[in-house]
Amino acid sequence: GDSVTQMEGPVTLSEEAFLTINCTYTATGYPSLFWYVQYPGEGLQLLLKATKADDKGSNKGFEATYRKETTSFHLEKGSVQVSDSAVYFCALSSGTYKYIFGTGTRLKVLA
Amino acid sequence: DAGVIQSPRHEVTEMGQEVTLRCKPISGHDYLFWYRQTMMRGLELLIYFNNNVPIDDSGMPEDRFSAKMPNASFSTLKIQPSEPRDSAVYFCASSLWQGGNQPQHFGDGTRLSIL
Repeated sequence: GDSVTQMEGPVTLSEEAFLTINCTYTATGYPSLFWYVQYPGEGLQLLLKATKADDKGSNKGFEATYRKETTSFHLEKGSVQVSDSAVYFCALSSGTYKYIFGTGTRLKVLA
Repeated sequence: DAGVIQSPRHEVTEMGQEVTLRCKPISGHDYLFWYRQTMMRGLELLIYFNNNVPIDDSGMPEDRFSAKMPNASFSTLKIQPSEPRDSAVYFCASSLWQGGNQPQHFGDGTRLSIL
């Protein structure tokens, strides 16, 4: 069945460091891919999405490119801030009418 | 636009009591999902509805859990009787399917503690 695998956390970075959180997927057909962010005490919020191969989603300085050849959708940000500390979830949706979420990666940014 | 609204935000009750969690999805959305989140098991899909009809309840842990969606603007998740291992954050989410390229929208969750 469909699945999403993302890197184990926690990831600890200093402010202004470069961020990469890896995400790979397995799916039949052509899924849409999403990154969600969850701040403490809140629900998941959509961060960005891509609906077809080679699409790049971007928002708030975060980017991810839909790579069909490597079945990946890695999240990147050039310079993280303390306020980016949160849990990040990679997810996909496909023709099964369900959304499949990764296990989440906790990011901690130190001032 | 109002987002997904869940109530209550926090619930503390003793084991054996009935617990009812409530959700109002975004108007016009045709899918509604209930999730449970714990440190040990992460985010688990419990059940989802399409146009108020339950489609897949394979994630519901046991018969103590039940969910209903009597109309397009309201859903409940009920636990009876509750047990301490049910303690978790429960999220409701809604979406407009449109071939799968639309995201889910989550509520802020209900933090449930069973003593």
